[in-house]
Amino acid sequence: AQSVTQLDSHVSVSEGTPVLLRCNYSSSYSPSLFWYVQHPNKGLQLLLKYTSAATLVKGINGFEAEFKKSETSFHLTKPSAHMSDAAEYFCVVRGNTPLVFGKGTRLSVIA
Amino acid sequence: EPEVTQTPSHQVTQMGQEVILRCVPISNHLYFYWYRQILGQKVEFLVSFYNNEISEKSEIFDDQFSVERPDGSNFTLKIRSTKLEDSAMYFCASSVEPNTGELFFGEGSRLTVL
Repeated sequence: AQSVTQLDSHVSVSEGTPVLLRCNYSSSYSPSLFWYVQHPNKGLQLLLKYTSAATLVKGINGFEAEFKKSETSFHLTKPSAHMSDAAEYFCVVRGNTPLVFGKGTRLSVIA
Repeated sequence: EPEVTQTPSHQVTQMGQEVILRCVPISNHLYFYWYRQILGQKVEFLVSFYNNEISEKSEIFDDQFSVERPDGSNFTLKIRSTKLEDSAMYFCASSVEPNTGELFFGEGSRLTVL
């Protein structure tokens, strides 16, 4: 069975500093991995996806994630946080099942 | 930009009542989904729908639940005889292709069962 674990329920960063949201996955298949973002009162939006091509994946709004098979990780990063990045972020895996979501990480950005 | 729309945004109902949550998927999408998120818990898959029939469903999606595409635009989730534990945010999603993970989600319908 596929699963993802988001290691932090809440991350707080200062504006202009790097963002790191951690995600570990478990999959018996070669997984497809995704990050979704949910801004307040908005639907879930796809940030980026990994589907066995390049291990470093670039997404929207300057986010990127690196697939590391040896560490079973798919951490989300951004070099410089912006106030508009404050949102809930979900790491998601798809193997041989529908999408399986992590519990989410709430990112707060402090001015 | 096309988007998935859901109504109502919030519904409060009494235990035992029937609830219908409505969704308008993106017009050229062929695959439709319902997910839910109980407060403080993970987003969970309920059901996927294609070509006017359920293509996949989870253990959560029991006889209490049903989905329908009554016309060319709406996609509905019906919950018969609601229970307290049905209180959750329900997300509708649609996609052009299946199994890609690239779903477009609505803003969600919050259901509160009293």
